[in-house]
Amino acid sequence: NAGVTQTPKFQVLKTGQSMTLQCAQDMNHEYMSWYRQDPGMGLRLIHYSVGAGITDQGEVPNGYNVSRSTTEDFPLRLLSAAPSQTSVYFCASTSGWGNYEQYFGPGTRLTVT
Amino acid sequence: GESVGLHLPTLSVQEGDNSIINCAYSNSASDYFIWYKQESGKGPQFIIDIRSNMDKRQGQRVTVLLNKTVKHLSLQIAATQPGDSAVYFCAENTGNQFYFGTGTSLTVIP
Repeated sequence: NAGVTQTPKFQVLKTGQSMTLQCAQDMNHEYMSWYRQDPGMGLRLIHYSVGAGITDQGEVPNGYNVSRSTTEDFPLRLLSAAPSQTSVYFCASTSGWGNYEQYFGPGTRLTVT
Repeated sequence: GESVGLHLPTLSVQEGDNSIINCAYSNSASDYFIWYKQESGKGPQFIIDIRSNMDKRQGQRVTVLLNKTVKHLSLQIAATQPGDSAVYFCAENTGNQFYFGTGTSLTVIP
């Protein structure tokens, strides 16, 4: 049981480039989410999904897209990277249905120059 | 948006002492509260949770207290150990969204 995995661990992008951050979980969890964490701040919700085929926006969705074609995978796409998107990104999952214990991945540290 | 804040950004305690980390939240409609621990370079790790219809919940060496009257949440760690050194976040759940506080850095002095 690998839990929640994220790739890559580190990434450097130039302004305007696009990329996809990968997230996968093997716990058959329905609820998955993406957060960003900036220095001295807590985590802020970007997008979340309550099941395959269903996604919704969180607090800070602008500049990011998500899709959920399978229960296991929840990729986050940056369409045109900006320096303001420099951050550490965490993916999390929980079984939902009244269980709110979220399992977090190890994070992706993204730098946009 | 939601506002979940912590009273103190840093806390230092002697090994063996008890630690108390506080958190204020703003949405009285939040129905679930969680404490997370985050070690350097890692993702947050669930510690303990409490539903809004409770005022106290205990785990192993940890206790969470909820005061809905003043919208205040606290995490008590008994007999703090060096391995407890980390950043601690409170979070609240409203609907399908989680809102995190800014975190308190706990340092345990041997």
